[in-house]
Amino acid sequence: KNQVEQSPQSLIILEGKNCTLQCNYTVSPFSNLRWYKQDTGRGPVSLTIMTFSENTKSNGRYTATLDADTKQSSLHITASQLSDSASYICVVRGVTGGGNKLTFGTGTQLKVEL
Amino acid sequence: DGGITQSPKYLFRKEGQNVTLSCEQNLNHDAMYWYRQDPGQGLRLIYYSQIVNDFQKGDIAEGYSVSREKKESFPLTVTSAQKNPTAFYLCASSILSGNYNEQFFGPGTRLTVL
Repeated sequence: KNQVEQSPQSLIILEGKNCTLQCNYTVSPFSNLRWYKQDTGRGPVSLTIMTFSENTKSNGRYTATLDADTKQSSLHITASQLSDSASYICVVRGVTGGGNKLTFGTGTQLKVEL
Repeated sequence: DGGITQSPKYLFRKEGQNVTLSCEQNLNHDAMYWYRQDPGQGLRLIYYSQIVNDFQKGDIAEGYSVSREKKESFPLTVTSAQKNPTAFYLCASSILSGNYNEQFFGPGTRLTVL
């Protein structure tokens, strides 16, 4: 069964600090992995998308890494800001015969405090 | 929210009533999707459509119905047969081709059954 597991479930950090969120997946065959940011009560917004041949991708203060061999990804947030408080969702796309089959993680709830 | 609109933002329904959630996109995307989001769970696919007048069941289609009469519109009806309809509903759209094939999400509709 295709699964995406994220850790930690929740995280509280002080403004200006860095943090790393983890994502492990069992989706196979693998097409790509995405990280989304979802503010409370809003729709998810894409941060990064990586295929199996990409090891790292950055989007401003967000840097995602991918190890397709171990089926692990991480999202590193540098110099956190209050506006980074949100849920971060790891989403893996498998290769299917039709449709656009995505498997969603349950998210890491990040809170940035003063 | 990437050119996708959902309405209403909040919706209240009495038990036994059908309600319809609106989703419109102006991105000229062929594919559209409906997801349900519950606390502590990843997004789950309800229905998706890759072309006008055609749609496919997702993982949790029971108690829901959709139509795709126009490329821009993909309304979701939550019927009285849905046993636990209180949730946050997200609509998304994407192009069909290409490796990245990112889904763009709307702002969501929170449905509460009274």
